Amino acid sequence: RKEVEQDPGPFNVPEGATVAFNCTYSNSASQSFFWYRQDCRKEPKLLMSVYSSGNEDGRFTAQLNRASQYISLLIRDSKLSDSATYLCVVNIFGDYKLSFGAGTTVTVRA
Amino acid sequence: GAVVSQHPSWVICKSGTSVKIECRSLDFQATTMFWYRQFPKQSLMLMATSNEGSKATYEQGVEKDKFLINHASLTLSTLTVTSAHPEDSSFYICSATLRGSYEQYFGPGTRLTVT
Repeated sequence: RKEVEQDPGPFNVPEGATVAFNCTYSNSASQSFFWYRQDCRKEPKLLMSVYSSGNEDGRFTAQLNRASQYISLLIRDSKLSDSATYLCVVNIFGDYKLSFGAGTTVTVRA
Repeated sequence: GAVVSQHPSWVICKSGTSVKIECRSLDFQATTMFWYRQFPKQSLMLMATSNEGSKATYEQGVEKDKFLINHASLTLSTLTVTSAHPEDSSFYICSATLRGSYEQYFGPGTRLTVT
């Protein structure tokens, strides 16, 4: 079983729509959680960290469910510029290594 | 701050030759650097972790004699793909961390094509 699993999508949504997707992780010792954004042929860039109580950054809301071992990302009022692949990233306690999901592709259309 | 550069950004080489990729932290000292490889539509796969002045730690399945990593200073790590084959064609990305931090700062990646 992969450490981090994501629905690959693609999620095709119109501008202004809300889109949400999840990621599951297998290691219960995971302690830090992130969403990264990766554009085609570019490096990943940190979108936001995910905190236990859930957190929001503008139009982006992240949630963590430790009991079910999943995290989610919700994008409100989608913009064309939100089109990208969103990577779920997990870090295990005491380890500097990150485990990446394969990504969820979101395409926002005009 | 926390900028990481990679050079070259893309390279084409012939099968059997070696290619060196540089990863530099431009405005900070990186205690640890990571090397990843990403094939199309797949996740980043960690190849190795390197700390300045010590041997790199390779992930299972990654040949250390084929992927030579040298972390000569706190701002420079190099990855040399030796005797490259077409199946080594991939997107190679490095990242660096600050001491005590889990956040990784990624370089822009190097696209390697072996013909």
